Amino acid sequence: AQKVTQAQTEISVVEKEDVTLDCVYETRDTTYYLFWYKQPPSGELVFLIRRNSFDEQNEISGRYSWNFQKSTSSFNFTITASQVVDSAVYFCALIQSYNTDKLIFGTGTRLQVFP
Amino acid sequence: DVKVTQSSRYLVKRTGEKVFLECVQDMDHENMFWYRQDPGLGLRLIYFSYDVKMKEKGDIPEGYSVSREKKERFSLILESASTNQTSMYLCASSLPIRYPRRWGYTFGSGTRLTVV
Repeated sequence: AQKVTQAQTEISVVEKEDVTLDCVYETRDTTYYLFWYKQPPSGELVFLIRRNSFDEQNEISGRYSWNFQKSTSSFNFTITASQVVDSAVYFCALIQSYNTDKLIFGTGTRLQVFP
Repeated sequence: DVKVTQSSRYLVKRTGEKVFLECVQDMDHENMFWYRQDPGLGLRLIYFSYDVKMKEKGDIPEGYSVSREKKERFSLILESASTNQTSMYLCASSLPIRYPRRWGYTFGSGTRLTVV
């Protein structure tokens, strides 16, 4: 069965701190996609990144970086020099490729960045 | 600007009422989804549709039904609303995964439903 675990329910940091959001996934499939979404207070989910199971390269986009490790089934998300605007709920999600288009979400991590 | 539009941002209904939540997308996507979001539980799939008039149950379909008469519109129906259906409802659409370069979910802004 597929499953996504975000063990951190809530994280609070002070502006400019670095913060890492953890994501651990379970799947029996060898081909799959992993995602991160951001949900700001406005409610709409915003796509951040997609990574397929064959690409284990880490990715950096500005202050955001992602560490994908198949050996530990983890896809962690780091925000460097956090800002108040980063305050949101962040969801990690998994899709099994080719036999379903359904996303399986983790329970989310609420990040609060204080000034 | 492509988007998914949910007809209501906030909705208050009485127990036992029949409730319709509407979702429209303008991206010509085959797939449409209804999720429910509750604190501590993340997003849970209620129903999805991969074509007009086609539907499949998700993880928590009990108490809900759906309708997809046109490609762009996917309606979630609460046949007899109950207080345990108070929640945030999110609609999404996507192309099929066989288009990996263009694949991704686009979400609506959500409808916060309160059943009293």
